[in-house]
Amino acid sequence: GAGVSQSPRYKVTKRGQDVTLRCDPISSHATLYWYQQALGQGPEFLTYFNYEAQPDKSGLPSDRFSAERPEGSISTLTIQRTEQRDSAMYRCASSAGTNEKLFFGSGTQLSVL
Amino acid sequence: AQSVTQPDIHITVSEGASLELRCNYSYGATPYLFWYVQSPGQGLQLLLKYFSGDTLVQGIKGFEAEFKRSQSSFNLRKPSVHWSDAAEYFCAVGARGSGTYKYIFGTGTRLKVLA
Repeated sequence: GAGVSQSPRYKVTKRGQDVTLRCDPISSHATLYWYQQALGQGPEFLTYFNYEAQPDKSGLPSDRFSAERPEGSISTLTIQRTEQRDSAMYRCASSAGTNEKLFFGSGTQLSVL
Repeated sequence: AQSVTQPDIHITVSEGASLELRCNYSYGATPYLFWYVQSPGQGLQLLLKYFSGDTLVQGIKGFEAEFKRSQSSFNLRKPSVHWSDAAEYFCAVGARGSGTYKYIFGTGTRLKVLA
């Protein structure tokens, strides 16, 4: 696509529920990043894909967080058994390669009640 | 550990005035440095980047930044601010880790522009 698209734009869920966030990157981009941005903070790295490979998931806060990119294009971020502390903006970005310009989506604002 | 510090959480300037946003980093090797801008409801947009070479880099929207290795700084400047520049600005370092590049962002500086 022309830009990075994320859905849903907003997600409100109850504590303990699972949520899945979706990212559709720029079609020619090999790399895809997930970031978590808490209110008043900068984006914090969660995980990274190079095509379908996931070389680095060191930023995932716990094993409740997982991400996939099975065909090297669309990616999903799943949070199981959500907790209130998971409430944040989740941002996806893609780039043509490592240390190239990042193109960010508008993000998914997650609220866990 | 790599880190990025933006010491100013909020800055207010009058339209037409000059602007400087501070960024300091901690990184063991030659850093890759970026400035991104985030407007309300929008994703982050790259303003400029430094990889190597000339330490004064020009970006979009009339912004520039200067890499000073001795001060571990990469401050963003604009000679004359426009009302549309009101946004949040993030400095970032491209840092290698586990064989891949992670981008480490500062906590951001929110710019307010007075008419």
